[in-house]
Order: sequence, then C-alpha cells, then structure tokens
Amino acid sequence: AQSVTQPDIHITVSEGASLELRCNYSYGATPYLFWYVQSPGQGLQLLLKYFSGDTLVQGIKGFEAEFKRSQSSFNLRKPSVHWSDAAEYFCAVGPYSGGSNYKLTFGKGTLLTVNP
Amino acid sequence: EPEVTQTPSHQVTQMGQEVILRCVPISNHLYFYWYRQILGQKVEFLVSFYNNEISEKSEIFDDQFSVERPDGSNFTLKIRSTKLEDSAMYFCASKGQGASSNTEAFFGQGTRLTVV
Repeated sequence: AQSVTQPDIHITVSEGASLELRCNYSYGATPYLFWYVQSPGQGLQLLLKYFSGDTLVQGIKGFEAEFKRSQSSFNLRKPSVHWSDAAEYFCAVGPYSGGSNYKLTFGKGTLLTVNP
Repeated sequence: EPEVTQTPSHQVTQMGQEVILRCVPISNHLYFYWYRQILGQKVEFLVSFYNNEISEKSEIFDDQFSVERPDGSNFTLKIRSTKLEDSAMYFCASKGQGASSNTEAFFGQGTRLTVV
C-alpha cells in the first residue's frame, strides 16, 4: 500500500533562513509526487509536482523539490523563507496515470512557523 | 484563473441530519473527487467520479455517503445521516484529461462540516 511520511510535525525557522521539509514515500510503481500548501482557513494549493524527467522541480513562491528515487524522498526546499510562508505543508503521492484513478495519499503535514 | 468553488464554507448540522456539500468544478474538467481532513489528521481520499459514475471509493465512503453530478456544473457529496465523527473539512477536486500538464487535480477551499 502506498504511504507518505513527513517526519517533522512542526518546524520553526527565522525569516530569511533556508528551509527543507522532508517527505518519504512508499509506492509500488512510478509515482506522481506533489507538495501542497494550506494556509489557515484556506484550501489546498499546489506548490509543485513531479511526474518524470528532471528530478529537481521548480514550483511557485520560490519553492523547489528534489526527487531521489534511491531514497524514496521528495524533500521541499526554499533558500529564503518569508513570513507569508507560514502554513501547513503536505506531501502527497499518486498513481502514474492520467485517468480517473487519481487517489492521492497525503502525509500528515508539517506546520511551518516563521519567526520575524 | 479557473478555480474549484465549494459552498458553504462552513456548515453546522445536528447529528442524524442529512447534509449536502456542493462543489463547482473547473468547467472543462472530467474527473471529480472528494477528500476529507479530520482536524489534526491527514487529508484522506473519499471517492473519485468519472463519466457519471464512481470510479473508486475508500473504506470511509460507506452507504451513508453518495455523490452526484445533478447538472453540467455541480458535483455534490451527500451524507445521509451525519455522525459526530463526520466532522471534518471536506475538499472537492477536479482534474482535466489528456497531456501530463493536465494530470494534476485542483482543490477547492473546502467546506468545514461540524456535526453537533
């Protein structure tokens, strides 16, 4: 069965500092990998996704993530965090299919707090 | 930018009552999904819907739940007789078809259901 582990429940960083959020997945086939962000009272916004090709993917708001197949990881990074990045971040894995079977499995999320 | 719209944003209902959560997917999308997030827990897949029928459902999606696309624009989730444990944020998502650039799902902002 597919699963996603986000080992850090809560991370606090200072504004301007670099950020890395960890994500490990278990999946039996070629996965689609996603990072979503959820601000308080808001829905899920897609930050970036990996389907194939270059293992370093760029997303919105200055985020990037690197897919490492050997480590089953898809860590999210940002070189300089802004106060507006404070939110909850979810890693998700889904089937490599363009069809109706878009059953995403989410991690439990990492809550990011940004100190001024 | 097209978006998935969910109404209401917050609904309070008494235990045992029926509720209908409404979603307007992105207009040219063909695949529709419901997910839920119980407070403090991970986002969980409920059901996927394509070509006017359920294509996959999770264990959570029992006989108390149903989905419908009553017209060309709305996609609804009905809970027949709500229980306290149905209290959660419910997310609707929709997805297009075709090239890989269309294989991500777009989520709505969610409906927070509180059962009292």
